[in-house]
Amino acid sequence: ETGVTQTPRHLVMGMTNKKSLKCEQHLGHNAMYWYKQSAKKPLELMFVYSLEERVENNSVPSRFSPECPNSSHLFLHLHTLQPEDSALYLCASSQEMILQVPNSPLHFGNGTRLTVT
Amino acid sequence: DAKTTQPNSMESNEEEPVHLPCNHSTISGTDYIHWYRQLPSQGPEYVIHGLTSNVNNRMASLAIAEDRKSSTLILHRATLRDAAVYYCILRDGLRNNNDMRFGAGTRLTVKP
Repeated sequence: ETGVTQTPRHLVMGMTNKKSLKCEQHLGHNAMYWYKQSAKKPLELMFVYSLEERVENNSVPSRFSPECPNSSHLFLHLHTLQPEDSALYLCASSQEMILQVPNSPLHFGNGTRLTVT
Repeated sequence: DAKTTQPNSMESNEEEPVHLPCNHSTISGTDYIHWYRQLPSQGPEYVIHGLTSNVNNRMASLAIAEDRKSSTLILHRATLRDAAVYYCILRDGLRNNNDMRFGAGTRLTVKP
């Protein structure tokens, strides 16, 4: 149990489908992240939320839409994906202290393995 | 963020120490050195981090060169459960950002 739970663990979807990935953290953290891990590529940071506000969006296509309704939950809404979007999507959280050095460790979930057909 | 360079893979024997190197020749004075590892079928997990002094915790030790241009993660007695990809990451201590940027890491194989 990592303290960060992602559902579903596996998802297969067609290119015209709409689906959502869910992440929940039970650690009382105030920052949450979405990462993408494709085969043979490093982890790519997609979105960062701090205190429920999006603070980073790394040129991610609009077919990926994040939502952070509160500090414990993070969603990634998916629509009209492409086969190259197939990857492991990882959620993470951390406790960031305002005006202090941002060195809090990230706690990751075990990811959702997404296959787009 | 400054870049790190790690070997693609390393092998170790069980119950022997493992030294995982990381080069970061362009490190700035405010960059912290973080290490994470990713076991098969799991998300990455935090291992250790430091700035200038060597650091120890229950998982590993971090040895930082005096000029800070390189560091070494030390696993004192490797077990089969330590087989993973190990990532060395620099994180700027001055910027109030929350991101962590991972490279390709070192894949550690532990032989029984």
